Amino acid sequence: DGGITQSPKYLFRKEGQNVTLSCEQNLNHDAMYWYRQDPGQGLRLIYYSQIVNDFQKGDIAEGYSVSREKKESFPLTVTSAQKNPTAFYLCASSSLGRGRARNEQFFGPGTRLTVL
Amino acid sequence: QKEVEQNSGPLSVPEGAIASLNCTYSDRGSQSFFWYRQYSGKSPELIMFIYSNGDKEDGRFTAQLNKASQYVSLLIRDSQPSDSATYLCAVNGGNAGNMLTFGGGTRLMVKP
Repeated sequence: DGGITQSPKYLFRKEGQNVTLSCEQNLNHDAMYWYRQDPGQGLRLIYYSQIVNDFQKGDIAEGYSVSREKKESFPLTVTSAQKNPTAFYLCASSSLGRGRARNEQFFGPGTRLTVL
Repeated sequence: QKEVEQNSGPLSVPEGAIASLNCTYSDRGSQSFFWYRQYSGKSPELIMFIYSNGDKEDGRFTAQLNKASQYVSLLIRDSQPSDSATYLCAVNGGNAGNMLTFGGGTRLMVKP
């Protein structure tokens, strides 16, 4: 089955700890994205990557870090510098097209992070 | 001004009625428009996309696009309680290039 997997589904972190959220896709998509969603809110872009070994900051990158060593994988690290990390984290991937290409993003099931 | 705007709702409709969800966007260069459905606690799933002016129908869903007015809507006919969810509008192209810009979502409640 093709798709996007995220792990873990639930994650609890103590204050001051770094944690890493996993995201893997087997859709052969070039682009991958990380979003944060707070209760009752829309999606906010943290980081994105359009090619291996390259990534760009989104709107709320502070306190987060990523890597893209393989096309299939885009892990997100929530560092202790992120002051309010409790949220629902969504990973997505898409192909890269031009003009009127669809470029729809497919989402993983998400990781719910709670800071204790 | 937000780039993609949606009324947060909740929009409440009776079962069997037509639900109308609206979205406006600010970037005139936007080219593709997407509607995602998100059930509580779950991730968004794509239900419709449109890139030409006019209507696009898929089963009970119709997407409508008016680029002159910078307006895209989603109509759900014969609404069912299972349609109760948050609907996210997303826009691609223009200044955002390949990126999607999401609206805040509209929560729809379909009452039996």
